[in-house]
Amino acid sequence: GENVEQHPSTLSVQEGDSAVIKCTYSDSASNYFPWYKQELGKGPQLIIDIRSNVGEKKDQRIAVTLNKTAKHFSLHITETQPEDSAVYFCAANSGAGSYQLTFGKGTKLSVIP
Amino acid sequence: ETGVTQTPRHLVMGMTNKKSLKCEQHLGHNAMYWYKQSAKKPLELMFVYNFKEQTENNSVPSRFSPECPNSSHLFLHLHTLQPEDSALYLCASSLVSGSGSNEQFFGPGTRLTVL
Repeated sequence: GENVEQHPSTLSVQEGDSAVIKCTYSDSASNYFPWYKQELGKGPQLIIDIRSNVGEKKDQRIAVTLNKTAKHFSLHITETQPEDSAVYFCAANSGAGSYQLTFGKGTKLSVIP
Repeated sequence: ETGVTQTPRHLVMGMTNKKSLKCEQHLGHNAMYWYKQSAKKPLELMFVYNFKEQTENNSVPSRFSPECPNSSHLFLHLHTLQPEDSALYLCASSLVSGSGSNEQFFGPGTRLTVL
């Protein structure tokens, strides 16, 4: 089955700096890679996703890149703000066309004002 | 109510108790999921229902028993749990299509403590 590794497990940045979180996956047939943000006391919420037919996607301060050859994808947050502080999870679907997701262990991001 | 709701939000139970967790989605989705979230571990998929039919049971102990009476409701029945079952239990739903790339919407979770 699919295996997703996520690094780092914790990340502290100064407000205004950029944050990068990286994930690798094992199943070359996976074709959907979402990123979720989980705030304290809430369930995970999708912030951006990418499909295997594109290499990069941006949404305001958030971007995701995908390298299918190397089987890794990354989340980039620019101009970080205190409200970006949360736990971020990457995920990959369990093979092409599968609607089930395998998640990474999460990255706790702290943005220091 | 909108999105995915879960009740109760917090539950404390003894090892001999029987309790149930409830999930309801108001999004018109056709797939529902139970996940277990423990500290420092990835979200663990427990069960998947697609059009009310269970399509995945991820080697979950029989002390967890899911029920999906319709596409909008999902239950997790609990009995004779162990302290290591203490965790946040998350429900999610999605619209399943052939592309396999469908956003899962999560509820806020039930924080379960087993004494």
